Amino acid sequence: EADIYQTPRYLVIGTGKKITLECSQTMGHDKMYWYQQDPGMELHLIHYSYGVNSTEKGDLSSESTVSRIRTEHFPLTLESARPSHTSQYLCASTGGQGYEQYFGPGTRLTVT
Amino acid sequence: KNQVEQSPQSLIILEGKNCTLQCNYTVSPFSNLRWYKQDTGRGPVSLTIMTFSENTKSNGRYTATLDADTKQSSLHITASQLSDSASYICVVSDRGSTLGRLYFGRGTQLTVWP
Repeated sequence: EADIYQTPRYLVIGTGKKITLECSQTMGHDKMYWYQQDPGMELHLIHYSYGVNSTEKGDLSSESTVSRIRTEHFPLTLESARPSHTSQYLCASTGGQGYEQYFGPGTRLTVT
Repeated sequence: KNQVEQSPQSLIILEGKNCTLQCNYTVSPFSNLRWYKQDTGRGPVSLTIMTFSENTKSNGRYTATLDADTKQSSLHITASQLSDSASYICVVSDRGSTLGRLYFGRGTQLTVWP
């Protein structure tokens, strides 16, 4: 099993709250990614990073922001949660020239 | 438009039976194709990765095939087990950008009954 972790696993929060979803990996991977996945739907890339201090927006427009201050840590922040943010958020990483993308267990977010 | 289409959307089989899942893609240029298994409430786990030159790859009871000419792939599961119940996702990567962009299918939801 991959050494990539996400916390919390489940979160129920009220509209307007600020939240941070944590993602960390102990594999020393340079590339990290955040995906959003609704039930029965494909994964959509919302943010990615090629290394420390490198972050880019993905294909799906998202009101979230990310930071990459340390190689192993790639947190995602929502400044003001809305019900439309209810979804599963998956973090992933890839190392070196390899193709393999390792996924974390995901955070299931519900905004009421 | 780069797309990945999977069929069937869902499938129910009895334990011990075999099944085949299909993936058609229009992604170009092509770098590699991956099959992932995603258990409910978990992140995807890689089963196989195939590049352009590979047309079959096995991982235990899972065998993936790739026809790069017709842009089709299949995942064959042999002697299914209850633990095979999951969503199986086909993912295609292009080589047209430094990101190595991934295109995800919606998955086939497999249910194995005892």
